[in-house]
Amino acid sequence: SQELEQSPQSLIVQEGKNLTINCTSSKTLYGLYWYKQKYGEGLIFLMMLQKGGEEKSHEKITAKLDEKKQQSSLHITASQPSHAGIYLCGADTLTGGGNKLTFGTGTQLKVEL
Amino acid sequence: DGGITQSPKYLFRKEGQNVTLSCEQNLNHDAMYWYRQDPGQGLRLIYYSQIVNDFQKGDIAEGYSVSREKKESFPLTVTSAQKNPTAFYLCASSISGGRQPQHFGDGTRLSIL
Repeated sequence: SQELEQSPQSLIVQEGKNLTINCTSSKTLYGLYWYKQKYGEGLIFLMMLQKGGEEKSHEKITAKLDEKKQQSSLHITASQPSHAGIYLCGADTLTGGGNKLTFGTGTQLKVEL
Repeated sequence: DGGITQSPKYLFRKEGQNVTLSCEQNLNHDAMYWYRQDPGQGLRLIYYSQIVNDFQKGDIAEGYSVSREKKESFPLTVTSAQKNPTAFYLCASSISGGRQPQHFGDGTRLSIL
C-alpha cells in the first residue's frame, strides 16, 4: 500500500518568513492533493498536481510535484497568521484515479507575530 | 451555497450503544467517503460509495456500517462492536471518475461517556 510521509511534523515560524513542507511517497504519485485544516474543522482543498514537474500557485502558496513524481513540496511565502493550521497531502491510490486517497499524517504550522 | 453538512458536531456514545453520524451534500457528487482522524495518524478511510445503493469497505471498516439510499446522503453508524470509537469523523464527496479533489464537511467529534 502507498504511504505518505510529511516533514516536518510541526513548524513554528515568525510572521513574514518563508517555509516549505514536504510530502514523500513510497510509490509513484499519479495525483497529489494538498489540503489545509484548522483544528476541529474539515479539510479545505488547496491544489491538485498530476504531472511530473508541475507547479501551481494560489495567493502566497506554491505546490510542486517533482519530475520523478515521488515527492511534493508546499511553499508559503511571507507567512501570515492566517496560514496557521494543519497541512495534509493526499494521493490517489489507483493509477486511473478512482477517487480513493491515502493521506499523510499532516504538518502543523504555527505563525508567531 | 453548495457544500457538505455533517451533524451533529459533537456526539457522545454510551457503552453498547450504536450511534449514527449524518452526512448530506448538495454538490451533486456521485462519490462519498467517510474518514476517521486520530491524533498523529492522519485520515483513514472507513467506507466509500461511488454510486447510489453501492458502497465498499475502506481500510478500517470493522465496527462501522453505512447506507447509500440517496445520492445526497451517506450516513455512518458506529456500532457497539467498534471498541475504540473516540475520534474525529470526516465525510467527503467528489465527482466520480478520473482525478477529482474530495470536498469535506466540518466533521463530527465522537466521544465515549
